[in-house]
Amino acid sequence: GAVVSQHPSWVICKSGTSVKIECRSLDFQATTMFWYRQFPKQSLMLMATSNEGSKATYEQGVEKDKFLINHASLTLSTLTVTSAHPEDSSFYICSARDSGTSGINEQFFGPGTRLTVL
Amino acid sequence: QKEVEQNSGPLSVPEGAIASLNCTYSDRGSQSFFWYRQYSGKSPELIMFIYSNGDKEDGRFTAQLNKASQYVSLLIRDSQPSDSATYLCAVKASGGSYIPTFGRGTSLIVHP
Repeated sequence: GAVVSQHPSWVICKSGTSVKIECRSLDFQATTMFWYRQFPKQSLMLMATSNEGSKATYEQGVEKDKFLINHASLTLSTLTVTSAHPEDSSFYICSARDSGTSGINEQFFGPGTRLTVL
Repeated sequence: QKEVEQNSGPLSVPEGAIASLNCTYSDRGSQSFFWYRQYSGKSPELIMFIYSNGDKEDGRFTAQLNKASQYVSLLIRDSQPSDSATYLCAVKASGGSYIPTFGRGTSLIVHP
């Protein structure tokens, strides 16, 4: 199957700092990528849909000025958590859809990034 | 609002038994149904998808879909301790959107 990577896999930062998370599709092109957040014992919550070359679409309740998304190429999307606070500590997971397929619309998930804000 | 409901569990089964995981959804127009497995601290991985009513088998896994009753289930035969994980049900509605709605997941524990 297609491979999606994320970097870093984990990060610890101080409150008030910004953290950038990268999501890359390694062997396919993805015009659309998705950013999820998962708190312990909770389901995946879609934060935003990242569209190559255009603005991201944010889900209701997600602050677009706090969670900056840039999808600069067909294989890379970045999520920047600005002025992070302890309540932003979570598991952030990206996924990508292979633009070249017209089949099951399967999403390929990255390995996730665990963010801890002190 | 589209909802996908799963019993959070944990569901505990002995090794070798059949584990049955259930999921109900609210959007009657849903078309695609996915089961993901998520190990603790890891991201989800797709196990199976199903579109049509009935059963779909893949190795030890069988997905069952009943659109009239709006439920989808996952059966795991000959359960192994390595199957212990959280199983997420995801449902995609009809139309152009390819963003599925995820359930909270069911924790499965297979004990030796």
